[in-house]
Amino acid sequence: GAGVSQSPSNKVTEKGKDVELRCDPISGHTALYWYRQRLGQGLEFLIYFQGNSAPDKSGLPSDRFSAERTGESVSTLTIQRTQQEDSAVYLCASSLSQGYTEAFFGQGTRLTVV
Amino acid sequence: RKEVEQDPGPFNVPEGATVAFNCTYSNSASQSFFWYRQDCRKEPKLLMSVYSSGNEDGRFTAQLNRASQYISLLIRDSKLSDSATYLCVVINNDMRFGAGTRLTVKP
Repeated sequence: GAGVSQSPSNKVTEKGKDVELRCDPISGHTALYWYRQRLGQGLEFLIYFQGNSAPDKSGLPSDRFSAERTGESVSTLTIQRTQQEDSAVYLCASSLSQGYTEAFFGQGTRLTVV
Repeated sequence: RKEVEQDPGPFNVPEGATVAFNCTYSNSASQSFFWYRQDCRKEPKLLMSVYSSGNEDGRFTAQLNRASQYISLLIRDSKLSDSATYLCVVINNDMRFGAGTRLTVKP
């Protein structure tokens, strides 16, 4: 596809269940970022991948959160034992290289934990 | 202290007004800077890059002050379509966003 693709677009899950969110970056983009945006709030950095380097996990809020990326392609963000405070829009972005070029965002996954 | 601090507003201005937003950052080693725009319930999109020499794109002017560690965005002759949240972005290996400043331009 031409842009960053995220799936699912909406996810409702029960408290305590695990969820997996997917991000398909633009082909050729080596940098990939995940953010969390709560209603009416700014973008909270979660994790960043750059090529085959070790990811920067400094923004992950707890050990219930993890993310993987296979090479320079798809990334998945996994939230285990979901809590109500995990409800938010999860945004993924990719860019050609680390930091110096425009980052393109997917439309996000709206997660609701009930 | 947050890495990127931004006045959340809201700014409510009439059409034609000039409005300015500021953003400060804590890491003096930060490498590059941008302004993004986010419309309600949409993803952020790049508005413009920010350079030390200042850069202008039509009604929009962005400025970087490395000594004081702040960036600014000036919007002249505001239009109704400028209503959105404006996010400053600071790059230091990763990409960090300010909380966003909400602008509403009224007729």
